Amino acid sequence: LAKTTQPISMDSYEGQEVNITCSHNNIATNDYITWYQQFPSQGPRFIIQGYKTKVTNEVASLFIPADRKSSTLSLPRVSLSDTAVYYCLVASGAGGYNKLIFGAGTRLAVHP
Amino acid sequence: GAVVSQHPSRVICKSGTSVKIECRSLDFQATTMFWYRQFPKKSLMLMATSNEGSKATYEQGVEKDKFLINHASLTLSTLTVTSAHPEDSSFYICSAAGVEDEKLFFGSGTQLSVL
Repeated sequence: LAKTTQPISMDSYEGQEVNITCSHNNIATNDYITWYQQFPSQGPRFIIQGYKTKVTNEVASLFIPADRKSSTLSLPRVSLSDTAVYYCLVASGAGGYNKLIFGAGTRLAVHP
Repeated sequence: GAVVSQHPSRVICKSGTSVKIECRSLDFQATTMFWYRQFPKKSLMLMATSNEGSKATYEQGVEKDKFLINHASLTLSTLTVTSAHPEDSSFYICSAAGVEDEKLFFGSGTQLSVL
């Protein structure tokens, strides 16, 4: 199972861009990289998923270098409501999910 | 997007009673469901993986007789905490995976408080 490493916490201000980097040195060929957001007392919410290069959706961008040993979640112009814990995960198991092991996550605090 | 419904959202029970938590995939068939446990300000810990029609696979250190998992259909998995004790108080979260993609969808969680 690929292990991920993220910063424990980050601070930002409203309107700024936030980049959270995750290391996954042992990622396997078939693994996808997925980011989730979790608010207190709620289940994680899917943000974005990618395999390589860059993926963008309406809430975030995901940058993955060619070696895929890391990935960066980019949140443009954060607001107070983006204060949450962000988890980077890699899917283990070919042909679909085997199981997801959560790392410690990054606790993002957005300040006024 | 796909929706996973988890009930109840909160339950308070007396020590020694059993509590059942339901996890339903509302608009897709979930071949695999996962159950997690989360303590305050900690990450999610995988408890077990359940596949429809077969026995659940429990992670090391998780008592299978304490946490009974049933995945009787492609849209429903249940977790029963048997003879609950105060140390079982925690936030329990289920998730479900469909057959088509690599994403997991999570329920909203159940806060269990055992008095």
